[in-house]
Amino acid sequence: QVQLQESGPGLVKPSETLSLTCTVSGVSISGYYWTWIRQSPGKGLEWLGYMSNSGGTNNPSLKSRVTISLDNSKNQFSLNLTSVTAADTAVYYCASLIGNGNHNWFDPWGQGTLVTVSS
Amino acid sequence: DIQMTQSPPSLSASVGDRVTITCRASQSIGSYVNWYQQKPGKAPKLLIYTASSLQSGVPPRFSGSGSGTDFTLTISSLQPEDFAAYYCQQSFFSPYTFGLGTKLEIK
Repeated sequence: QVQLQESGPGLVKPSETLSLTCTVSGVSISGYYWTWIRQSPGKGLEWLGYMSNSGGTNNPSLKSRVTISLDNSKNQFSLNLTSVTAADTAVYYCASLIGNGNHNWFDPWGQGTLVTVSS
Repeated sequence: DIQMTQSPPSLSASVGDRVTITCRASQSIGSYVNWYQQKPGKAPKLLIYTASSLQSGVPPRFSGSGSGTDFTLTISSLQPEDFAAYYCQQSFFSPYTFGLGTKLEIK
C-alpha cells in the first residue's frame, strides 16, 4: 500500500528556511498529486499547497513563502517555507491528494514531523 | 476562504452511544466535505469523503450526510477505539480548509 514518511530538521532558526522531504513508497509519484498540511495548537489543521507533474497551487495565506517540488527520480517531494517565525512551529504532514475535479481528499498521510522555530 | 464551523468542540459519551458531530460551511459547498479521525500523536485518518462515502476499511458504524452548508458525521454505536478527535474539511474551493475539530471523550 502507499506509505509516506517525512524527514528534515526538527529545529529551525527564525528568518531561515524550513525544508522537509516526504518519501513515498508503494506507488510512483508521477501522475498523482502530493500535498503538505500542518497542525499547530493555535491554528488547527492548515493546508499549505499541492503539486503534481502537471502543476500545483499554494495557500495564499502563506503569500509566496511556500514552494513544493517533486523529485521523480527519488520518488520524493519537498516543502520549502521561507522566512519562518515562531508562528510556523507545527507538526508538518505530507499526504496524497486523491479524487477528481473538486471532489478531493487527503489519503494517506505521513506520520508527521514536529518542527520548532526558535533561536 | 470558506470557514468550517464544527460543533460541539468537545463531547462526552459512553460506549454504545449514538453520536452526531456537525459541521457548517460559511457558504454552500455542495457535497465537497470529508471527515477525518485523529488519535493522540497520530496523523489524521480519512473516514468519509464527498459527504457520505465510506472510506475502504472504515467500520459501517460511521456515516456522513449533508449538502450545501450543513453536514453531519454520525457514529451509530460508540466503540472504545472511537474516542478521538474528528475534523471536517472542504474541497469545494481553494484554499482547502478544516474545521477546528470535535474531541470525543469517554464519559
